[in-house]
Amino acid sequence: AQTVTQSQPEMSVQEAETVTLSCTYDTSESDYYLFWYKQPPSRQMILVIRQEAYKQQNATENRFSVNFQKAAKSFSLKISDSQLGDAAMYFCAYRSEGAQKLVFGQGTRLTINP
Amino acid sequence: GAGVSQSPSNKVTEKGKDVELRCDPISGHTALYWYRQSLGQGLEFLIYFQGNSAPDKSGLPSDRFSAERTGGSVSTLTIQRTQQEDSAVYLCASSFRPGAASSYNSPLHFGNGTRLTVT
Repeated sequence: AQTVTQSQPEMSVQEAETVTLSCTYDTSESDYYLFWYKQPPSRQMILVIRQEAYKQQNATENRFSVNFQKAAKSFSLKISDSQLGDAAMYFCAYRSEGAQKLVFGQGTRLTINP
Repeated sequence: GAGVSQSPSNKVTEKGKDVELRCDPISGHTALYWYRQSLGQGLEFLIYFQGNSAPDKSGLPSDRFSAERTGGSVSTLTIQRTQQEDSAVYLCASSFRPGAASSYNSPLHFGNGTRLTVT
């Protein structure tokens, strides 16, 4: 079974600076998808960014980008120009090709210091 | 339009009681998912519906847990004889089509969850 590990329970960053959240995963599959979700205090999960394993190019969405290292099974999230609204729990998730369920990591709580 | 709606928002129940959690997905969304989030943990998959059928219920932790979906819309997650370890946030999500968690064009929409506390 696939597993997702986020080794940083908590992270903090100064407003306007850059922070990187780590995620590693374990799989024997070659085709899959990876995601970062944000969960603010409202509890609603919001998709931040996604990556298809077959794509070598790292995904980017505005201030959010990923460093996808397939061989190392690593999928880190970089947040540039951090804003107070970025404060939330961040979850890394994995989905097998053809599967429906997402496998989540334990989450990283991100605090933005003004 | 309205998002995924879950009710109640919070539920406190006594150990041994049955509870029902409700999820109203976005209209037209054929796929519906239930996840459980225990304190300080990530989300744990429970069950997936495509229409009214549940092709994958592999995440239901015990036979005390069941779920149904009617009319391809509302879903109810029932926990019988609740135990303290059932305390968690139960999140529902829906998407226009299966596998849409991978698509920005048809993303997975989550509700705000039901926080269940078993005393």
